Amino acid sequence: QVQLQESGPGLVRPSETLSLICTVSGYSISSGYYWGWIRQPPGKGLEWIGFIYHSGRTYYTPSLESRVSMSVDTSRNEFSLKLSSVTAADTAVYYCARRAGATGSYYLDNWGQGTLVTVPA
Amino acid sequence: QSVLTQPPSVSGAPGQRVTISCTGSSSNIGAGYDVSWYQQLPGTAPKLLIYLNSERPSGVPGRFSGYKSGSSASLAISGLQAEDEAEYYCLSYDNTLTGLYVFGTGTQVTVL
Repeated sequence: QVQLQESGPGLVRPSETLSLICTVSGYSISSGYYWGWIRQPPGKGLEWIGFIYHSGRTYYTPSLESRVSMSVDTSRNEFSLKLSSVTAADTAVYYCARRAGATGSYYLDNWGQGTLVTVPA
Repeated sequence: QSVLTQPPSVSGAPGQRVTISCTGSSSNIGAGYDVSWYQQLPGTAPKLLIYLNSERPSGVPGRFSGYKSGSSASLAISGLQAEDEAEYYCLSYDNTLTGLYVFGTGTQVTVL
C-alpha cells in the first residue's frame, strides 16, 4: 500500500522560500511513476504545481515555473518542493501525489494527507 | 483560472441520481485526453474516484460512474447517500501554455 506524507514548516515569511518534503512508503520512487505537488488555497480549488521523475526530469505549471524547483532523493525515497519569493497568495494546503497512467491519460492515484502552509500578509 | 468548468453545486435527496458536468475545450477533453474524477470529503485530501473517463479504482462503489463525450465529461452518482456529500473535481491534460494538467472548478454535492 503506497503512502505519502508531507512535512515542512507551517509558516513561511513573505519573500522567503517555502520548502516541503514528501516521504513515500510502500513503493520505491526509483521503480517508476512521476511524483508531484498540488496545492489548494483555503476555500478554493486544486492547482497543479509540478511533477518529477526519479531521474530528475521535471514538469512545472507555467504560472509558477519561475519560482518552483523540485528534486528527488531516491536513497531516502522522498521528493521535495521549493517555492521562492512567497507571498500571501501562496498560502494553501500542499498535497503530494503519485501520477499514474500514460501520455494524455494521467491521473493521481495516491495522495498525501496535505500540509497547510501559511504566508502572512 | 481553470479551463475545466463545473457547476458550483448540485444536490439531491438520498437515493436519487445526480450528475456533475466537466466542460472543457479542444485543447483538453476535446483533444481526446482522458478525464479523472476526485472526491474530497471535508477536511481531507482528494481521493481518486474515476480514471480513464469511466474506470473505478478498487474499493470505489459501483454507484459512481463516469463518461466522456466530445469536450465534456460527467460524473454520475446513483443511489445518493449521505456519505457522498463532498466536493468533486475533474482533471485532464491540456496542451496549451495554461498548464499541462488542469483541474475543474469543483462541485459541492449536497445530500438533502
